[in-house]
Amino acid sequence: DIQMTQSPSTLSASVGDRVTITCRASQSISRWLAWYQQKPGKAPKLLIYKASSLESGVPSRFSGSGSGTEFTLTISSLQPDDFATYYCQHYNDYLWTFGQGTKVEIK
Amino acid sequence: QITLKESGPTLVKPTQTLTLTCTFSGFSLTSGGVGVGWIRQPPGKALEWLALIYWDDDKRYSPSLKNRLTITKDTSKNQVVLTMTNMDPVDTATYFCAHSGSIPAYFDYWGQGTLVTVSS
Repeated sequence: DIQMTQSPSTLSASVGDRVTITCRASQSISRWLAWYQQKPGKAPKLLIYKASSLESGVPSRFSGSGSGTEFTLTISSLQPDDFATYYCQHYNDYLWTFGQGTKVEIK
Repeated sequence: QITLKESGPTLVKPTQTLTLTCTFSGFSLTSGGVGVGWIRQPPGKALEWLALIYWDDDKRYSPSLKNRLTITKDTSKNQVVLTMTNMDPVDTATYFCAHSGSIPAYFDYWGQGTLVTVSS
């Protein structure tokens, strides 16, 4: 099975900071990676699919990059609404695997 | 506008079978490329994918839970049903259903989730 490992587990940052979250796959997954944002008590929200495609309606300060086994989610200028937990997810047509999550906290 | 909503018991006893229903609107599960998945999240923990059903009735299950899960669809009612047998306290979680309109499937619309507690 493919394992997805995110780092860091927790990140403390201030409004306006540039934030980068990393997701590593245990084997190559091409670009079949999505990123989600989740706030407490809410369902996850899709941000990025196919590693770098921005979902409609998602602010352009969010961007994704990578391929193969290493991927990043970048928030160019952290906003108050961005404090949340972020998950990467590998997807194909038979198995879906989430990372363990990265919590972005207020510094 | 795509919406999904989960329904089912909030409390089940150990060894019982859980049946959850996802009722959706704004799309048809007869349209090519469409799928509905189930994902769960234990309190304070990460998301875990459980199962997915495609428009053509193709089904996918998490390897670790495959023997306990069944996913079905009722296109006339716009519903997807997940059953999980032999429930255990470790299965306590919020259960989400989610829509995918792509192949391979990623989840672009989610229900609000329903918390299921397993306790005697």
